[in-house]
Amino acid sequence: EAGVVQSPRYKIIEKKQPVAFWCNPISGHNTLYWYRQNLGQGPELLIRYENEEAVDDSQLPKDRFSAERLKGVDSTLKIQPAELGDSAVYLCASQGGNTGELFFGEGSRLTVL
Amino acid sequence: QQQVKQSPQSLIVQKGGISIINCAYENTAFDYFPWYQQFPGKGPALLIAIRPDVSEKKEGRFTISFNKSAKQFSLHIMDSQPGDSATYFCAASREGSARQLTFGSGTQLTVLP
Repeated sequence: EAGVVQSPRYKIIEKKQPVAFWCNPISGHNTLYWYRQNLGQGPELLIRYENEEAVDDSQLPKDRFSAERLKGVDSTLKIQPAELGDSAVYLCASQGGNTGELFFGEGSRLTVL
Repeated sequence: QQQVKQSPQSLIVQKGGISIINCAYENTAFDYFPWYQQFPGKGPALLIAIRPDVSEKKEGRFTISFNKSAKQFSLHIMDSQPGDSATYFCAASREGSARQLTFGSGTQLTVLP
C-alpha cells in the first residue's frame, strides 16, 4: 500500500513569490492534515480536512496561506506571497481506519530567500 | 500556549544503554499519548502509543510509562542501538478531535556505537 505522497520534496524561492505543495493521502483516508515543522521543533497543525471540508483552519495564516481538498482526496497548500519566516518543512498526514493512526508524508522543505 | 513540554532537547547514550525521554502535558482532556520517531528527511512515524487507563505499555525495546496524576509520560528505550538515533516527539490528543495531535518540541537522540 502506498503511503502519503508529497511534492515537491524541496523548493527554493525568493520572498514574495508564490509556492504550492501537493499531497496525495493514503487511499480511503478521509481525514487529512497539513502541519508545519520549523527546524528543531515539533509539527504544528495548520489545517485539518474531513473529506473535502476544512473543519479546523484556526492556525492557518489566512492572509497568505490557502488550502483546498477538491473531491476529498488530494490536497494543495498554497502560500502567496511567501515570507522569509515561512521557511520550514510542510508535512501532510492522513488518518483513517479503526486505529486512528496518523501517517505522515516525507514533507516538502521550503526555503525562502 | 505550549500544551506538551518535552525534555531533554538532546540526548547521547552509549550502545546498550537506556534512553529516557520525558513529556508533561497541561490539558486534562487529553486521552491519547503517542510517541513518534523521525529520521532526517523523513516524516514522523508512530512508534508506540498509550491511553490513560494503563500506566505502562511495552512493545519490544520501547516502553511508555504514564503518570496521570502528575500529567507526565515518558519513553524508555532499552538496549539502545545506533539505529535508534533519530528525533523523538511525544504528542497528545483528546477524544472527539479525530486524533488531532499536539506535539512536543522533540528530542534528538544519538546512540554511540
